[in-house]
Amino acid sequence: GDSVTQMEGPVTLSEEAFLTINCTYTATGYPSLFWYVQYPGEGLQLLLKATKADDKGSNKGFEATYRKETTSFHLEKGSVQVSDSAVYFCALQPRASDGLTFGKGTHLIIQP
Amino acid sequence: NAGVTQTPKFRILKIGQSMTLQCTQDMNHNYMYWYRQDPGMGLKLIYYSVGAGITDKGEVPNGYNVSRSTTEDFPLRLELAAPSQTSVYFCASRSGQGASYEQYFGPGTRLTVT
Repeated sequence: GDSVTQMEGPVTLSEEAFLTINCTYTATGYPSLFWYVQYPGEGLQLLLKATKADDKGSNKGFEATYRKETTSFHLEKGSVQVSDSAVYFCALQPRASDGLTFGKGTHLIIQP
Repeated sequence: NAGVTQTPKFRILKIGQSMTLQCTQDMNHNYMYWYRQDPGMGLKLIYYSVGAGITDKGEVPNGYNVSRSTTEDFPLRLELAAPSQTSVYFCASRSGQGASYEQYFGPGTRLTVT
C-alpha cells in the first residue's frame, strides 16, 4: 500500500539556520503531495502542496519540489525562525476523493 | 466562517462505554474525513465521506461507526470503548470543486479510555 517516510526527529537548529526535512513516498500512480504543520495544541494546517511531477510548492519561505524520479518531496527553508518550531508532516493523496496518508511527523525545535 | 468545529475537546471514557464525537463544517464541503493521531505517529484515516449519505472505510475503521445525514455534520461513534482507542481524533473537510485538494482540519478531540 501507499506509505510516506520522513526523517525522525526531533530536529534542533539555531535561528537562521538552513532547514531540510526529508520525505520519500511509495505510491502507485501519481499522488498529490503535501506538507502540513501542527503547532502545539492545534490541528494541522496546510503548509504547501504539489499535484504533479516537478511542481514546486512554496509558502512562508518554505518550499518543496515533487521529484517523481526519486519519489521525494523534501521540505526546505533558507533561514528558520523560533516561530517555525512545530511538528511537520509529509502526506500524500492518491486520488482527489481519498484521505491523506501521513508520515510519522518531524518535530522541529528552533533555538534562539 | 467557523471552519471545522469538533466537540468535545477532551473526554475520559471507561472501558465499554460509548460516545459520539461531533464534527461540523460550515464551508459546504462535500468531502469529510476522520483521522486518529497516536503519540509519535502520523494521522491514520478511520472513515471518510464524499457526500451526504455516502461513507467508506479508511485504514483503521474497526471499533468505529459514522453517518452522514447532512452536508455539514459527520459524527464518529465509538460503541464499546477500548484502551487502544485512546488517541487524538481529528475531523477534516475539503471542497469537491476545482483543483484544490486542501483538507481543513478541526482542533481535535483528545480521548482517553481507562
